[in-house]
Amino acid sequence: GQQVMQIPQYQHVQEGEDFTTYCNSSTTLSNIQWYKQRPGGHPVFLIQLVKSGEVKKQKRLTFQFGEAKKNSSLHITATQTTDVGTYFCAGPAGNQFYFGTGTSLTVIP
Amino acid sequence: DTEVTQTPKHLVMGMTNKKSLKCEQHMGHRAMYWYKQKAKKPPELMFVYSYEKLSINESVPSRFSPECPNSSLLNLHLHALQPEDSALYLCASSHPRGREDEQYFGPGTRLTVT
Repeated sequence: GQQVMQIPQYQHVQEGEDFTTYCNSSTTLSNIQWYKQRPGGHPVFLIQLVKSGEVKKQKRLTFQFGEAKKNSSLHITATQTTDVGTYFCAGPAGNQFYFGTGTSLTVIP
Repeated sequence: DTEVTQTPKHLVMGMTNKKSLKCEQHMGHRAMYWYKQKAKKPPELMFVYSYEKLSINESVPSRFSPECPNSSLLNLHLHALQPEDSALYLCASSHPRGREDEQYFGPGTRLTVT
């Protein structure tokens, strides 16, 4: 069945270091969305990418959607303690909607 | 108003109880969702309502029964649950275009089945 995998599962970084999470889907996605979930919180929408090869930036965050629309990445430059949380990619495939397995980010001050 | 509200925040119920989870949004969204999230796992889609009609049921056991009384409200009726059903239940809503748009999540109901 459909799978959306993310790597790494966990990442510990020193504050100020960069961070990247990679998302890979077993099938083509019509768009890719990214969500952030703080510990004890609920998922919060960050961004949506629709076009093949699209790149979007939000301050220190850079999002990419792969050419085949099956993979995506989120890169955070110079992490801050406020970046702590789990980052999920998600997207529709056919009649379904799938969340990736998530990457849990810990930022060490 | 960009808020999705859920009640209750916490719920403890026995396996023979009947309870309901409630979700409300006033953003004019016409798609509403129920997700189940276990600890350290991604949300798993359970049900999708589009224009108050159930459009997706992800093979969820019948002990979970969704209801959408109107475009702003979504309920999840619970009956004869199992301990493995203990989880965070999240409600979300999105624009009329449904799953092609970002979803706004409520804070969730943390359910414990004893």
